[in-house]
This record gives sequence, C-alpha cells and structure tokens, in this order.
Amino acid sequence: SQQGEEDPQALSIQEGENATMNCSYKTSINNLQWYRQNSGRGLVHLILIRSNEREKHSGRLRVTLDTSKKSSSLLITASRAADTASYFCATGSSYKLIFGSGTRLLVRP
Amino acid sequence: DTAVSQTPKYLVTQMGNDKSIKCEQNLGHDTMYWYKQDSKKFLKIMFSYNNKELIINETVPNRFSPKSPDKAHLNLHINSLELGDSAVYFCASSLGLAEGGEQFFGPGTRLTVL
Repeated sequence: SQQGEEDPQALSIQEGENATMNCSYKTSINNLQWYRQNSGRGLVHLILIRSNEREKHSGRLRVTLDTSKKSSSLLITASRAADTASYFCATGSSYKLIFGSGTRLLVRP
Repeated sequence: DTAVSQTPKYLVTQMGNDKSIKCEQNLGHDTMYWYKQDSKKFLKIMFSYNNKELIINETVPNRFSPKSPDKAHLNLHINSLELGDSAVYFCASSLGLAEGGEQFFGPGTRLTVL
C-alpha cells in the first residue's frame, strides 16, 4: 500500500501565485523527499529533508516536516508555467523510497 | 550525458510473451531499483539491488526476474506477460545509503500488454 497521501490531488493556479502541497505518511522515516515528474518523463529529485530537520529551502522551494504529525508540505513560490508537473513526496528508509499519491499542479500563464 | 538510461522507451506486446527492459547508469552508484507506475500514477518499488545483490523484493510475482550483471546495469525480464503488467517501469539508482537517499530516475519504459 502507498505510504503517503498527498493533497490536493490536483491544483490549478495562476502564474506568479504560490502553490502548497501536503503529504502525510504512516511509519517512522529517515528522511522525506520531494520529486517532480513532467508528463511522460522520469522523476527528478527536488529536495530532501532529514527527520531531525523542520524546514529546508532550495531556490523557490520551501519544505517543512512535522514528524509528530507525520506530515510534510512543499511550497513553490512565484510559480511559473514551467512548474506544471506532478509532485510526489517519498519517504526514505532501508534502500527504498515509498511514494505518495502525487499532486498534479497546473500553472496557468 | 544520460545518467540513467532505459531501453526500450515503448514496448507493445501480446499476453503470454516474454520481454526484457534494460537499464544502465553511469553515475557510479552502488544501488539500483525498479519501480512500477500504474495508470493512476501510483509509483511502487519492485526491487532494490546493492552491489549486484538483491536487497528488496516487494512481493513481486516471480514472473519478474531482475538481473544485475554489474553495478552499472539492472535489467528486468518479465515472463508470461499479463494485461495487468501494463504500466510504466522506471529504473533508478542511488549511492546506496541505507537511510534511503536521493535517487536518479531513468526516463521510463511504457509497457502495453494486448
């Protein structure tokens, strides 16, 4: 079964707006990662946050992690049309990643 | 330069056939993986290999047989293909950290079983 659930399942915003996606997971983790998948492509790693970290930034991305609630959020600021993609959270442990169900983000020009 | 490559990109075949998907990585990573992404975009781990040794087999039917001839290659052979095997299969690699580090994915192989 999937480790995590993401919400929303789909999100449509205007270029320049911020996009927030949430991820919940079930078991203890070593780290939590976010990946992007453009249509018809493989996944690309965006950011990794360790279980002892609470917040991490990378460019226009901001990730938070709340291990007490077993949840994480990904914020994309000042979105661009090129950010249109599916975004997946994944929990990392013992030589595997377990992926969430994904959020489809559409950024309208 | 392609980091993780897979061939073929598309595979269309009849039920009951046997097919193989090849994967190669030029990143010098120790660990390689196979994932299956279904039509609803759920992505699920199938196998993990570390230094050519099988580490994880996530209750995959034994019709699926991965083979790692060396650390840079992990091929997937599927016997007696079934309709439910239709999916996109992704190969990935990582440095092999036990904690589950960043993974690099190939472009995927879209398998359609008719």
